[in-house]
Amino acid sequence: DGGITQSPKYLFRKEGQNVTLSCEQNLNHDAMYWYRQDPGQGLRLIYYSQIVNDFQKGDIAEGYSVSREKKESFPLTVTSAQKNPTAFYLCASSSRQGDSGYTFGSGTRLTVV
Amino acid sequence: QKEVEQNSGPLSVPEGAIASLNCTYSDRGSQSFFWYRQYSGKSPELIMSIYSNGDKEDGRFTAQLNKASQYVSLLIRDSQPSDSATYLCAVGHTNAGKSTFGDGTTLTVKP
Repeated sequence: DGGITQSPKYLFRKEGQNVTLSCEQNLNHDAMYWYRQDPGQGLRLIYYSQIVNDFQKGDIAEGYSVSREKKESFPLTVTSAQKNPTAFYLCASSSRQGDSGYTFGSGTRLTVV
Repeated sequence: QKEVEQNSGPLSVPEGAIASLNCTYSDRGSQSFFWYRQYSGKSPELIMSIYSNGDKEDGRFTAQLNKASQYVSLLIRDSQPSDSATYLCAVGHTNAGKSTFGDGTTLTVKP
């Protein structure tokens, strides 16, 4: 079955540590997105990519980095510069223009310890 | 003003009633409109999409779009406790290549 897979489901980060969240899709979608969701809040866009080897900053890109070397994969690195990274991270994919809606992964819960 | 605004709720309806969720948007060039359902602790799931003025029905769900008023709504008929979730409105513009999400409305359906 086609879908979008995020791993790990839970992740714990120590102060000053970089961590990478994985996102893989087999839907043949061109576009991929990373969102952050804090408790009781909406989705905030971190980065998005409409094509391989190209990506754009979203509304809250500071402290995060991404790469898009393959169509299927869009990993997100939470760097030590992100001072408050505890949140629910959601990856999504869509057609290039996003006009058919998004398919979301099951999310990664990141906690700073 | 936010680009996409939803009633923050929470909205509570009795089982079997009609739940009405509303959303307004600011970009008149928006071309695609979506409703997602998000259960507590889970990821959002696309439940309805609408692209032209009028109503679109899918089972107990009806999406309504009025581009002149920049308004989109979701009606849930015969509401069930399993409909209790947060509903996210999203608006897309082809040139932007991405959707903008509202903050969501939390719906509780009481047995």
